[in-house]
Amino acid sequence: EPEVTQTPSHQVTQMGQEVILRCVPISNHLYFYWYRQILGQKVEFLVSFYNNEISEKSEIFDDQFSVERPDGSNFTLKIRSTKLEDSAMYFCASSEGSGVGEKLFFGSGTQLSVL
Amino acid sequence: AQSVTQPDIHITVSEGASLELRCNYSYGATPYLFWYVQSPGQGLQLLLKYFSGDTLVQGIKGFEAEFKRSQSSFNLRKPSVHWSDAAEYFCAVGVSSGDKLTFGTGTRLAVRP
Repeated sequence: EPEVTQTPSHQVTQMGQEVILRCVPISNHLYFYWYRQILGQKVEFLVSFYNNEISEKSEIFDDQFSVERPDGSNFTLKIRSTKLEDSAMYFCASSEGSGVGEKLFFGSGTQLSVL
Repeated sequence: AQSVTQPDIHITVSEGASLELRCNYSYGATPYLFWYVQSPGQGLQLLLKYFSGDTLVQGIKGFEAEFKRSQSSFNLRKPSVHWSDAAEYFCAVGVSSGDKLTFGTGTRLAVRP
């Protein structure tokens, strides 16, 4: 089965630093997502992205967050000035089409630790 | 807004025993319901989903789930657990008008030999 690839698997950063989490979605997919899971809490939706635009975003996705598809294969999540509470597992996902009826393919996640 | 509750944080079963993982949802209309599994070092993998029709749905790896509207539940079952089923299981709900999923906190399954 095709895979969504996320790098790095672990990222440690200092509070206030910028981080970029990288994802390579499945090649023929058009819809891209970021979710995150703070330790012991629920997996939370952050943002969906299609046609180089944000389709939907949660209240978590404030001005400190941005997403980009810089080329035909990568999808990135940038946190401009990290806070302690940004420490979480971040999951990238992609799908062929939009809507909850489409099968989401998730990556294995990037564990972000903000010190 | 929709929400999902998975009341069991950890469950341990013996290999070969049956399994039921509980999931309750809150949503005004008929939701779209999902079960995902995450094995160590892996991404979230879709086990099964319910949109409409037959309330008993079959998934991969021998799992099934039953939608019970009266109980707002979508419990996951497997008649005989294998050691390889040890993982974290997430229930999720979606709505037809959007493309985001709302997840529960997950249930970590351990399997005794």
